[in-house]
Amino acid sequence: DAGVIQSPRHEVTEMGQEVTLRCKPISGHNSLFWYRQTMMRGLELLIYFNNNVPIDDSGMPEDRFSAKMPNASFSTLKIQPSEPRDSAVYFCASSLALAGGGTDTQYFGPGTRLTVL
Amino acid sequence: SQQGEEDPQALSIQEGENATMNCSYKTSINNLQWYRQNSGRGLVHLILIRSNEREKHSGRLRVTLDTSKKSSSLLITASRAADTASYFCATEVNGGFKTIFGAGTRLFVKA
Repeated sequence: DAGVIQSPRHEVTEMGQEVTLRCKPISGHNSLFWYRQTMMRGLELLIYFNNNVPIDDSGMPEDRFSAKMPNASFSTLKIQPSEPRDSAVYFCASSLALAGGGTDTQYFGPGTRLTVL
Repeated sequence: SQQGEEDPQALSIQEGENATMNCSYKTSINNLQWYRQNSGRGLVHLILIRSNEREKHSGRLRVTLDTSKKSSSLLITASRAADTASYFCATEVNGGFKTIFGAGTRLFVKA
């Protein structure tokens, strides 16, 4: 398996532009997570999906952020409009939800380094 | 606030020495996991310990869990320069899918 795939790996954009980050989870995994990592705030969970349904989006910073998972093999995180403070590394991770509740190991993608000028 | 908090924030040791990192958390958990992150890379899972387990080994790694104290420790024995990385504990809160990561411990192993 190729692991979790994220694209692009690097994105540089100007303030006000729309940014779309993409993620392909590991085949067979039914949970998907979006994280943001910065020096100041560490690793923050933004949103997670189970069976393509958003379960908890309480970590999404504001309405400028939105995430979708149209099918089991693809998810997007969109920022519109982007701001300099959105600059961070965004990680996608996938895992297998356990029948009794909870999830197993999370497998992380390589991340997308976003710079908003 | 963070569910899991690692201690120390940073640790510098000589190659061959043991490294111990601690994690404290606040609420009941299903399991606790340790991850490693090399600079510029994604996190890599190291080991998972369930709430009914007290100790687990994997190669040079030893993890303990004390649910009464809501704490865990990660011991890396005979450290190597390649162990230089940030180490995160992550706790899965009871009843949910949500896994919360701590701020991490930066380990630097000098050759």
